Amino acid sequence: GDSVTQMEGPVTLSEEAFLTINCTYTATGYPSLFWYVQYPGEGLQLLLKATKADDKGSNKGFEATYRKETTSFHLEKGSVQVSDSAVYFCALIKNRDDKIIFGKGTRLHILP
Amino acid sequence: GAVVSQHPSRVICKSGTSVKIECRSLDFQATTMFWYRQFPKKSLMLMATSNEGSKATYEQGVEKDKFLINHASLTLSTLTVTSAHPEDSSFYICSARAASGRGTDTQYFGPGTRLTVL
Repeated sequence: GDSVTQMEGPVTLSEEAFLTINCTYTATGYPSLFWYVQYPGEGLQLLLKATKADDKGSNKGFEATYRKETTSFHLEKGSVQVSDSAVYFCALIKNRDDKIIFGKGTRLHILP
Repeated sequence: GAVVSQHPSRVICKSGTSVKIECRSLDFQATTMFWYRQFPKKSLMLMATSNEGSKATYEQGVEKDKFLINHASLTLSTLTVTSAHPEDSSFYICSARAASGRGTDTQYFGPGTRLTVL
């Protein structure tokens, strides 16, 4: 079945460090790919998305490129801030229905 | 942006009792709401899809008689865990999809409800 695999955390970085959170997927067809972020005590928020191969999603300094050849959608940010501390979920959705399939989430800690 | 609330945020109950969790879309109408369960260090697992005015669609392996879902209005869906047992302890998250638009970018998540069954 369809699935999403992302790197296990927690990931701890110093402020202004470069961030990469790996995400790979398995799915039939042509899914859309997403990154969600969950800040402490809050619901999940859509961070960015990409709907077709080679698309790049970006938001708040975060970027991810839909790589069909490697079935990946790695999340990157050039310079993280303490406020980026949260849990990040990679997810996919099939075009023909609206079920979201999530990865396990990666907890990110940014130290000042 | 669109806001989805859940109530209660935390609940502790005794084994054998029933617990109701509410999911409300505060500033938009939601024809479809989704209920997820999140285990520690695990993915969010979709339990059921709730459409306003009709029966919920449950995912395989989810007991519909144990997890009762009601979507009586365009702003409210409820999940009732009946005869709760310790193995039902989990983090339950709802999401709501706006009446207009399709796809994930119009699906908004609640903050979750932590259920602990003693």
